[in-house]
Amino acid sequence: AQTVTQSQPEMSVQEAETVTLSCTYDTSESNYYLFWYKQPPSRQMILVIRQEAYKQQNATENRFSVNFQKAAKSFSLKISDSQLGDTAMYFCAFRTGFQKLVFGTGTRLLVSP
Amino acid sequence: DGGITQSPKYLFRKEGQNVTLSCEQNLNHDAMYWYRQDPGQGLRLIYYSQIVNDFQKGDIAEGYSVSREKKESFPLTVTSAQKNPTAFYLCASTTGDQPQHFGDGTRLSIL
Repeated sequence: AQTVTQSQPEMSVQEAETVTLSCTYDTSESNYYLFWYKQPPSRQMILVIRQEAYKQQNATENRFSVNFQKAAKSFSLKISDSQLGDTAMYFCAFRTGFQKLVFGTGTRLLVSP
Repeated sequence: DGGITQSPKYLFRKEGQNVTLSCEQNLNHDAMYWYRQDPGQGLRLIYYSQIVNDFQKGDIAEGYSVSREKKESFPLTVTSAQKNPTAFYLCASTTGDQPQHFGDGTRLSIL
């Protein structure tokens, strides 16, 4: 069975600082996709960043970047220059070609002034 | 604008009652999904459909039913067999290798 583990239930960071959220996964598949979703208090699920397993280069979207270690099955999210609007639940998710997403339990991030 | 519309935003269920949550998308996506979210937990897959008139059970399908008569619509019925229905329900859709796009959710509570 495919599983996604987020070992940090809560994280705190001050505005303008950098924070890294951890995610590990378990799969026997070789082709898959990894995602980070953000869920603010409004409870919308917003895609932050995606990574294709066949790509060695780490994905980057503005202040958000990932450290993808395929051999270690690790997929951490780094948020640079944290902003108050980054306060949210962050979910790591895994998907194979059949498009079923498997989610981790989430990390609650609080950005303080 | 294209998107996914879930309705209602809030829903209350009485004992022994079936209720239906609506999910409509105008993104021309082939696949649609229903997830349940409980406090302190991630999203768990209830049902999904990859084409019209076909759907598969997810990890927690017991007490739920779905239909996919039209590409745009994927309603979820919470039956009286679901003994703990209080949760936040999210619908999503996708096509090809695109990321899933989510609706704004429905919060279901027991009266």
